[in-house]
Amino acid sequence: AQSVTQLDSQVPVFEEAPVELRCNYSSSVSVYLFWYVQYPNQGLQLLLKYLSGSTLVKGINGFEAEFNKSQTSFHLRKPSVHISDTAEYFCAVSETGGAQKLVFGQGTRLTINP
Amino acid sequence: GAVVSQHPSWVICKSGTSVKIECRSLDFQATTMFWYRQFPKQSLMLMATSNEGSKATYEQGVEKDKFLINHASLTLSTLTVTSAHPEDSSFYICSASPGQGPRGPQHFGDGTRLSIL
Repeated sequence: AQSVTQLDSQVPVFEEAPVELRCNYSSSVSVYLFWYVQYPNQGLQLLLKYLSGSTLVKGINGFEAEFNKSQTSFHLRKPSVHISDTAEYFCAVSETGGAQKLVFGQGTRLTINP
Repeated sequence: GAVVSQHPSWVICKSGTSVKIECRSLDFQATTMFWYRQFPKQSLMLMATSNEGSKATYEQGVEKDKFLINHASLTLSTLTVTSAHPEDSSFYICSASPGQGPRGPQHFGDGTRLSIL
């Protein structure tokens, strides 16, 4: 079984500042890793994913994440945030040999202050 | 592309009634659909996985008779909450995948907020 821990439930940041949202996972098998964003009363939108290859993954809206196998982490970063980035962010994993079942972390509420 | 439509977006009903939520893939064929439940300010919990034409696979602790899932076509899956009670109030989200194995993408609907009075 897999588990995902997002270390920060809330992250307040000033506009144009950099941000890092932390994600650690636990799994006995190899996994794929994902970051999703959820705006109020909406479903989830995929920001980026790591399937294989380069450990630095670039996604939409200027976000990137780095897969660190030794630390079992997949932290999300953005060098300069905007007000529109205010949302809930979820880290998720799925087994590489599994049935696409996603296991989500608890979520991190990113609030951008002007 | 890859649009998933979920309907209704919000429903309020009396305790004891049954509620049906639809999930449609508008521009692709969804081999697999997933149903999630999200409590306020919490993460998504997978309820069940459905493949077109076969019975849904429910996660441990999810009542099959309470949450009926039908995936009758490659573009439509439905979740029926039977004899709903206030504790069933939640945000329900579906996702659909065109397949492609474990690397295949999941596309999410906008969710349905269910409130049982």
